[in-house]
Amino acid sequence: QITLKESGPTLVKPTQTLTLTCTFSGFSLSSSGVAVAWIRQPPGKALEWLALIYWDDDKRYSPSLKSRLSITKDTSKNQVVLTMTNVDPVDTATYYCARRRSGSVAPDKMFDYWGQGTLVTVSS
Amino acid sequence: DIQMTQSPSSLSASVGDRVTITCRASQAITNSLAWFQQKPGRAPKSLIYAASGLLSGVPSRFSGSGYGTDFTLTISGLQPEDFATYSCQQYNSYPFTFGGGTKVEMK
Repeated sequence: QITLKESGPTLVKPTQTLTLTCTFSGFSLSSSGVAVAWIRQPPGKALEWLALIYWDDDKRYSPSLKSRLSITKDTSKNQVVLTMTNVDPVDTATYYCARRRSGSVAPDKMFDYWGQGTLVTVSS
Repeated sequence: DIQMTQSPSSLSASVGDRVTITCRASQAITNSLAWFQQKPGRAPKSLIYAASGLLSGVPSRFSGSGYGTDFTLTISGLQPEDFATYSCQQYNSYPFTFGGGTKVEMK
């Protein structure tokens, strides 16, 4: 059974650094082709992809947020950590992590399992 | 970035209705398109991959089609548990992008 769960602070002050952890089970991030992504959703708004880390430590970021984001993995702990610097109230959102599955062809490599999400509020 | 435009943004339907939601990409994405269902306060649930592939456990009343820039999600015989918001996502190229969502409400 594959599960993912996000953890981190619920309230962060503007200009601070936000650190979120995704702890997963049921798969290994050392398996070829597998990746874990972070996606967020401001209240009442659409989903926004933030970052992705692959089994081989290849990392991809949203260009609009790249300067503020860092994604890392700890394969032994089955965890992926997202760090966002200099947060602002517009970063208030529910943050999700999701698994990108491997596949023999690109269209098969979708996000198949999602965590429950964690709501982060940025406010002074 | 590839823009994903969904239409309509909302619709009203009754149980048993056939519902169609469209998603248009601003440039061709082959068939690297997924559909998700989301209920209030819940995480997205993955439904369809590769534009038309049904994930295991997803009811067969859900179907997807399309290639290139135009895609469709169809629910054939709407059930009470299907009232939710549906979003598309392209994963053909970075940054991966989502549509704005279509809220399916009870008529």
